[in-house]
Amino acid sequence: EVQLVESGGGLVKPGGSLRLSCAASGFTFSSYSMNWVRQAPGKGLEWVSSISSSSSYIYYADSVKGRFTISRDNAKNSLYLQMNSLRAEDTAVYYCARSIAAAWYDTWGQGTLVTVSS
Amino acid sequence: EIVLTQSPATLSLSPGERATLSCRASQSVSSYLAWYQQKPGQAPRLLIYDASNRATGIPARFSGSGSGTDFTLTISSLEPEDFAVYYCQQRSNWPLFGQGTRLEIK
Repeated sequence: EVQLVESGGGLVKPGGSLRLSCAASGFTFSSYSMNWVRQAPGKGLEWVSSISSSSSYIYYADSVKGRFTISRDNAKNSLYLQMNSLRAEDTAVYYCARSIAAAWYDTWGQGTLVTVSS
Repeated sequence: EIVLTQSPATLSLSPGERATLSCRASQSVSSYLAWYQQKPGQAPRLLIYDASNRATGIPARFSGSGSGTDFTLTISSLEPEDFAVYYCQQRSNWPLFGQGTRLEIK
């Protein structure tokens, strides 16, 4: 079964840091681009970052550029999101998602909640 | 920057009825558009990609159409499990989602 499982969310103070992880199973992780998509409470979906299969190409939304870093370890079938200088507006459920055709998100994790509050 | 506008914001229908959801792009996205379904407390699910291709395992009652700036998701006969929020997404430049249409039971 194709599965993505996020972890690492929690409560953090403004200006703090958090590292999210996403464990993949049931497919050849190293063959797919991967992504982080977030959803603020009661709001819509917002793309955060993408990384190509071999980490050659990395992209960020303007809202997180310079503060977040996406990475992956294909040997461990894992995706990461290092989040620094967190702000209240970063509060959201963060989803890990697999891309097909480098664009569409065909598999999603269950999400992990990040709350930035003092 | 391309903006996606979904309409209506809320659609109230009964099971068995036909649902038509719209997504309009502020400039052409060719056929690079997808539709997702999200139920409360769940992750989104890919329904349609490249405007009209059903994703794996998606029932035939879901269909997508359109190109350029105007796109439609049609659910031919609503089942109870279809009541959810639907998002469109474009990939022409940066990935961007519409604001969503809530499909509720009338």
